[in-house]
Amino acid sequence: GENVEQHPSTLSVQEGDSAVIKCTYSDSASNYFPWYKQELGKRPQLIIDIRSNVGEKKDQRIAVTLNKTAKHFSLHITETQPEDSAVYFCASTGRRALTFGSGTRLQVQP
Amino acid sequence: GAVVSQHPSRVICKSGTSVKIECRSLDFQATTMFWYRQFPKQSLMLMATSNEGSKATYEQGVEKDKFLINHASLTLSTLTVTSAHPEDSSFYICSARTGAVGSNQPQHFGDGTRLSIL
Repeated sequence: GENVEQHPSTLSVQEGDSAVIKCTYSDSASNYFPWYKQELGKRPQLIIDIRSNVGEKKDQRIAVTLNKTAKHFSLHITETQPEDSAVYFCASTGRRALTFGSGTRLQVQP
Repeated sequence: GAVVSQHPSRVICKSGTSVKIECRSLDFQATTMFWYRQFPKQSLMLMATSNEGSKATYEQGVEKDKFLINHASLTLSTLTVTSAHPEDSSFYICSARTGAVGSNQPQHFGDGTRLSIL
């Protein structure tokens, strides 16, 4: 089955700096790659997604890039704010349910 | 749109009790529903996939006789944890999607149920 690896597990940045989280996937049939933000005790919230026919997508301060050849995809958050502090999960799917990465705890220091 | 309602949000009960969790898609028909489990500081792990009117497909290591899933309609799936024990304490989250597996449609998540077995 699909295997998704996510790095780093924790990330601390200063307010205003950028944050980058990287994921790799194993199933070449995967074609949908969402990113979720999860606050403590709450459900994952979809923040951005990308499909395999697109290499990059941007939504205000958030962007995602996809390299299908290398099976890599990354989340980029610019001008980070304290409210961006949360756990972020990448995920991928193709033929089955979403498979999640292990999560990155992002801490934005004011 | 695409709201998934999950109840209850919190359950605290004694060991040996069976607990039922409901997951409803409120404004769309969910061809496929998924049940995930999340232990503290860990990722979401898929437990099972269910399609309306058919038996659920369980992931390796998940006991189907312990975690009973019923997907009786296109808007409702239930997960029953039978004879729950402390090790079953976790955050259970359902997810729903229109379209069949592999259809490349987003999954929409419920608010989750925090289950605590004493």
